[in-house]
Amino acid sequence: AQSVAQPEDQVNVAEGNPLTVKCTYSVSGNPYLFWYVQYPNRGLQFLLKYITGDNLVKGSYGFEAEFNKSQTSFHLKKPSALVSDSALYFCAVRSSGGYQKVTFGIGTKLQVIP
Amino acid sequence: DAGVIQSPRHEVTEMGQEVTLRCKPISGHNSLFWYRQTMMRGLELLIYFNNNVPIDDSGMPEDRFSAKMPNASFSTLKIQPSEPRDSAVYFCASSPPGRGGNEQYFGPGTRLTVT
Repeated sequence: AQSVAQPEDQVNVAEGNPLTVKCTYSVSGNPYLFWYVQYPNRGLQFLLKYITGDNLVKGSYGFEAEFNKSQTSFHLKKPSALVSDSALYFCAVRSSGGYQKVTFGIGTKLQVIP
Repeated sequence: DAGVIQSPRHEVTEMGQEVTLRCKPISGHNSLFWYRQTMMRGLELLIYFNNNVPIDDSGMPEDRFSAKMPNASFSTLKIQPSEPRDSAVYFCASSPPGRGGNEQYFGPGTRLTVT
């Protein structure tokens, strides 16, 4: 069975500082990995994904994530946080083989402090 | 270009009543997903359609829940009879054709409250 762990319920960071939101996963075979963001009273919005190729993936709004196969991690990062980045962030995984549903993490609340 | 459209945005109903949630996926997308989000359980996949055919309904809680996709541009999720524990935000998402590496596009959700 595949699973996603987001070990931090909440991450607080000062505006302008770098941010990291952690994600580890477990899946059979090669993973497809995703990050989504959810603002209050909105649906989830796609940020970036890793399918294959370069381990460093760049996405929307200046976010990036690094796929680390040995550590089974896919941490989300941004060099300089903005107050507007405050939201709920979800990591998701599915196996690349055949039909497999996407499994979402429980979410990490990011609070950027002015 | 319109995103995924869901209606209603908010629904308040009494226990025992029938509730129907509606979704219009993005044109050209052939995969459709219904999710439920609660504080306790997070985001749960209820059912997945591919080319209008239900592929995985293992997440549907019980027989009170049913979903249909009569055509490529419309899907419904029905709860009959509704119970207070069904209170949640229900999301519909769609995804374009591909080999599974495509991201999902979520609608704004329907906030259901069953009293």
